[in-house]
Amino acid sequence: KQEVTQIPAALSVPEGENLVLNCSFTDSAIYNLQWFRQDPGKGLTSLLLIQSSQREQTSGRLNASLDKSSGRSTLYIAASQPGDSATYLCAVSADSWGKLQFGAGTQVVVTP
Amino acid sequence: DTEVTQTPKHLVMGMTNKKSLKCEQHMGHRAMYWYKQKAKKPPELMFVYSYEKLSINESVPSRFSPECPNSSLLNLHLHALQPEDSALYLCASSQQGVREETQYFGPGTRLLVL
Repeated sequence: KQEVTQIPAALSVPEGENLVLNCSFTDSAIYNLQWFRQDPGKGLTSLLLIQSSQREQTSGRLNASLDKSSGRSTLYIAASQPGDSATYLCAVSADSWGKLQFGAGTQVVVTP
Repeated sequence: DTEVTQTPKHLVMGMTNKKSLKCEQHMGHRAMYWYKQKAKKPPELMFVYSYEKLSINESVPSRFSPECPNSSLLNLHLHALQPEDSALYLCASSQQGVREETQYFGPGTRLLVL
């Protein structure tokens, strides 16, 4: 059974520092991995999707890497801002139905 | 437009009530999903419709019943719910349900069962 783990569970950084969020999964037979952002009481916003054949994806200040063989992905957020405060979730898709298995998330606070 | 809409935003119901949640997308996506999210927990998949075919998480009780009237609309019918069913219910969609496609989520319906 696929298990997805995110470490740390919570993270607090001063504005301007770079953020590094980690995600690990136990079964490397995945189709893709997605990173999401969730604000309190809200839905999920998709940040990046990395296909199983890719090693990284970039969007603005966000960069996500994927090492499928070791079962790891890392989300980097450069020059953090208070508006980056949210919970960040990673999820893997391991079948053709697109069913997502989520990690528990990392709660990020960026202080001004 | 990458918007998934859900109605209602909030719902309070008694254990004997019947209610429905609605989800709609106009992105031409052919796969739609229902997730349940308890407080401070990650979303858990309940149902998937892909090209009108249904896949079920077998742990979901029968008091939840999905319906997909067409490829743009997804309903979740609720009947005889329990207080532990109180949660945020999220709908998502993706293009054709293929593995490389991003899932787009709606804002959710917050359900309280009394």
